Amino acid sequence: AQSVAQPEDQVNVAEGNPLTVKCTYSVSGNPYLFWYVQYPNRGLQFLLKYITGDNLVKGSYGFEAEFNKSQTSFHLKKPSALVSDSALYFCAVRVPRNTGKLIFGQGTTLQVKP
Amino acid sequence: NAGVTQTPKFRILKIGQSMTLQCTQDMNHNYMYWYRQDPGMGLKLIYYSVGAGITDKGEVPNGYNVSRSTTEDFPLRLELAAPSQTSVYFCASRNPAGEDQPQHFGDGTRLSIL
Repeated sequence: AQSVAQPEDQVNVAEGNPLTVKCTYSVSGNPYLFWYVQYPNRGLQFLLKYITGDNLVKGSYGFEAEFNKSQTSFHLKKPSALVSDSALYFCAVRVPRNTGKLIFGQGTTLQVKP
Repeated sequence: NAGVTQTPKFRILKIGQSMTLQCTQDMNHNYMYWYRQDPGMGLKLIYYSVGAGITDKGEVPNGYNVSRSTTEDFPLRLELAAPSQTSVYFCASRNPAGEDQPQHFGDGTRLSIL
């Protein structure tokens, strides 16, 4: 069965420092992986995706993610965190050949302090 | 540039009451989804639709019903509200052209059942 795990409920970083939000997955076949961000009282916004090709994918707002097939991971990264990056982040995996349904991780709260 | 619009934004119901959560999108997306979000649990799929007249159950369909009479609208109905249905509900849509297309989310309906 497909699943996604985000092992950290919360990540705290200082502004200007690099950040990493972790995600591991379990899926049959080739994974389609996504990161979304949710700001308070808003819906989820798409950040980036991995489908195939280069293991380092770049997305919105300076975020990038590294796909590692051997470790079944898709960690979200940013070289220099901003206070405005503080939000709830979700990793998701597409259910193969099944109408684009997504399975979401439980979410990680990112807190960036000045 | 509306995207996915959900109404109402907030609602308080009494146990046993019924209501319909509205969702409409203006992107001509065939695929639409309803999720519920509970703290620390990520998003769980309630129902989804691949086009007008076609709906199917997700992970947690019990207590809910949907219909899809047009491409634009995908309402979610609660017939007999129960406290366990207190949650934040999100509607999403997706362009079916390509499995890598991200889902687009509305801003949610916050529902409390007392």
